[in-house]
Amino acid sequence: GIQVEQSPPDLILQEGANSTLRCNFSDSVNNLQWFHQNPWGQLINLFYIPSGTKQNGRLSATTVATERYSLLYISSSQTTDSGVYFCAPLETSGSRLTFGEGTQLTVNP
Amino acid sequence: EAQVTQNPRYLITVTGKKLTVTCSQNMNHEYMSWYRQDPGLGLRQIYYSMNVEVTDKGDVPEGYKVSRKEKRNFPLILESPSPNQTSLYFCASSTWGGGYEQYFGPGTRLTVT
Repeated sequence: GIQVEQSPPDLILQEGANSTLRCNFSDSVNNLQWFHQNPWGQLINLFYIPSGTKQNGRLSATTVATERYSLLYISSSQTTDSGVYFCAPLETSGSRLTFGEGTQLTVNP
Repeated sequence: EAQVTQNPRYLITVTGKKLTVTCSQNMNHEYMSWYRQDPGLGLRQIYYSMNVEVTDKGDVPEGYKVSRKEKRNFPLILESPSPNQTSLYFCASSTWGGGYEQYFGPGTRLTVT
């Protein structure tokens, strides 16, 4: 199956800082999603981005499918951005999303 | 509002007592799936269904059963729960085929003592 690597594994920021999270994957994909898992355990859909760039407020994401990576940008971070960020590609031959191990983000006031 | 719902959200039970976690979606999606999340192991797929009466095993199906008698519902059944099934469970749904966006439920935190 597809291998997914996320970096960095942990990230600590001061409120207001910007950050970039990276997701590398090992095979062709039909779909890639970014999620935020909040401290209560809920998975929040951030982006559905099999290719190209999307923006939603302070967050944006870019997927370069031909080079097998995706980036999540967080600008002007807030304490509510804390949690774990997962990328999850869907391989072309499969039916399930394969989740990376996530990036644990802590934003301090 | 388009959503995936799960019930219960939290459950503490004892070994061997059969339980069912329900999942329902209101988006007319063909595809539904169950995942479990464990520390250090990430999210892993348990079972999935491509349509009514069509189900298949995911990566970790042992100890679980599913059924898909209606398009909107996909219950997860633990016939004889054991402590190693203590986990956070997520249901997801999407349109089938071509890599459509998947929508996740709020999660069910299960503890088996």
